[in-house]
Amino acid sequence: QVQLQESGPGLVKPSQTLSLTCTVSGGSINTGGYYWSWIRQHPGKGLEWIGYIYYSGSTYYNPSLKSRVTISVDTSKNQFSLKLSSMTAADTAVYYCAILYNYYFDHWGQGILVTVSS
Amino acid sequence: QSALTQPASVSGSPGQSITISCTGTSSDVGGYKYVSWYQQHPGKAPKLMIYEVSNRPSGVSNRFSGSKSGNTASLTISGLQAEDEADYYCSSYTSTHTYVFGTGTKVTVL
Repeated sequence: QVQLQESGPGLVKPSQTLSLTCTVSGGSINTGGYYWSWIRQHPGKGLEWIGYIYYSGSTYYNPSLKSRVTISVDTSKNQFSLKLSSMTAADTAVYYCAILYNYYFDHWGQGILVTVSS
Repeated sequence: QSALTQPASVSGSPGQSITISCTGTSSDVGGYKYVSWYQQHPGKAPKLMIYEVSNRPSGVSNRFSGSKSGNTASLTISGLQAEDEADYYCSSYTSTHTYVFGTGTKVTVL
């Protein structure tokens, strides 16, 4: 059973870049057909898809965040990462990593709350 | 891309059936069979309940069913139980190879 675990800072200052990592256990990030995804949820709000990466490195991003988002993969560590630049209070959210498989989000991490505040 | 439209809340008594709608466009819900539904209890990560419009993953109760007509997908919960009280989100693949979620529906068991 594949498991995902997000890690990173819980507090980020405005204008800084957020860096989060998702560690994959119980399976290989090189698994064909799996797209490694990031999704966020603002406090008390709905889910927002951020983007995904394939192990080969190909990526797709939410158009509304595209200019600030970079998702990368480190196959040697079985991890993938999210960078979100120019953070503002509007980026305060719970960030989830998830596996996108056959057009649905199959496994999810537990989520990590990131607060943007000086 | 705009979020898919769901009713903010739906309620029902134990044993009843309820249906949650998810309305998009021909570029997402209406254009593909790739609609999925997720259940989220407070403080927890979402859980996949339905994929490809109407398929249930193993382990998900057959009280949950999905369908689609045109640009609107639906999730029906039959035999409503207290444990079904949660937030529900739909999601769809889109014509630009991206994904969009619904606005979310809070299900209350009366």
